[in-house]
Amino acid sequence: AQSVAQPEDQVNVAEGNPLTVKCTYSVSGNPYLFWYVQYPNRGLQFLLKYITGDNLVKGSYGFEAEFNKSQTSFHLKKPSALVSDSALYFCAVRDIKAAGNKLTFGGGTRVLVKP
Amino acid sequence: EPEVTQTPSHQVTQMGQEVILRCVPISNHLYFYWYRQILGQKVEFLVSFYNNEISEKSEIFDDQFSVERPDGSNFTLKIRSTKLEDSAMYFCASKEDPGQTYEQYFGPGTRLTVT
Repeated sequence: AQSVAQPEDQVNVAEGNPLTVKCTYSVSGNPYLFWYVQYPNRGLQFLLKYITGDNLVKGSYGFEAEFNKSQTSFHLKKPSALVSDSALYFCAVRDIKAAGNKLTFGGGTRVLVKP
Repeated sequence: EPEVTQTPSHQVTQMGQEVILRCVPISNHLYFYWYRQILGQKVEFLVSFYNNEISEKSEIFDDQFSVERPDGSNFTLKIRSTKLEDSAMYFCASKEDPGQTYEQYFGPGTRLTVT
């Protein structure tokens, strides 16, 4: 079975400061990992993914995430947060060994960037 | 940029009634999904659909649920006899192909309220 944990319900950060949103996962095989962002009244927008290769992946809007196999983590980061980054962020995993393509999501972390 | 669209944005129905939620996936995508999010809870996988048949479904997706691709563009989720606990946001997603691309693209969701 695959699972994802996002330990923080909300992260508050001042504009211009670094932003980190934490995610840990559990799969039986190797993971495919994803971050999505949800703005009010919008769907889940794809930000970035880790499939294989370099542990540091870069995505949209200046976001990046680091895959750490030993800690089973895939934390989302942005060096300098913007007020417009305020949104709900979801981490998701797919187990490479699993037959289907379903994504398993974490509970989401609300990010509030204050001016 | 192509998007997944969903209609209606909000559906209110009485318990026991049938509802059909509609989705138009991105036009060259071949793999389709439904997920749901009960208020305050995680996004949960319901079903995936490829080559005109269900490829995987969760335990939530019981006999009350069905999916269909009635024509070349629409993908629908039918709930035959709605229950109060079916109240949730329902997200449709699509993926370009089963193997080479990994991220799913989500629609804005349909909020279903069962009274």
